[in-house]
Amino acid sequence: QSALTQPPSASGSPGQSVTISCTGTSSDVGGYNYVSWYQQHPGKAPKLMIYEVTKRPSGVPDRFSGSKSGNTASLTVSGLQAEDEADYYCTSYGGSSNLVFGGGTKVTVL
Amino acid sequence: QVQLVQSGSELRKPGASVKVSCKASGYTFTTYGMNWVRQAPGQGLEWMGWIDTNTGTPTHAQGFTGRFVFSLDTSLSTAYLQISSLKAEDTAVYYCARELLGGRSIDIWGQGTTVTVSS
Repeated sequence: QSALTQPPSASGSPGQSVTISCTGTSSDVGGYNYVSWYQQHPGKAPKLMIYEVTKRPSGVPDRFSGSKSGNTASLTVSGLQAEDEADYYCTSYGGSSNLVFGGGTKVTVL
Repeated sequence: QVQLVQSGSELRKPGASVKVSCKASGYTFTTYGMNWVRQAPGQGLEWMGWIDTNTGTPTHAQGFTGRFVFSLDTSLSTAYLQISSLKAEDTAVYYCARELLGGRSIDIWGQGTTVTVSS
């Protein structure tokens, strides 16, 4: 199963919004509502930010939101803050007990 | 609280083996499966597979068969990743991560274990 496609980088100024895309196929992103997003700061373990396309775990700010259209899922970070600068990864269920990750997007707060 | 604590960094020579442990606490170990994820230096996350902690049945991702073994000690609430015949390209941080939604996502991550393969 091929990795999901994410842009390598994205950026925005404090207070602005940034949207990251995650493109797969009908066998993963398009076929299931099991897209998750993770935030990873340098040297740290990933942290779950969004699951089941749109759901936020307890403690994740509502500035983070997810959506999906066809084979592409998106993560939007509104009201960018300095601490949002990190790498972001999407995953999708791909059937047959398999998961597939995106290549990651580095978000820079200008 | 729910947490996964992994064993410390390892340095091995090519051809050797390594076993990474992941101890779970704060929940019933056999209720949630355990994933393994690799992150090579400066690279992204790669899903290696997962093990059903109730049955012990492993599922390996493509590219992580043969040399990569997932195992459990449920009496210790601990999952293990063993890698044999180590190669330089196995140098990476290895994470254990608890499954969510019946294996369709991941919620809790261990802190990661750095494995360095060098002669």
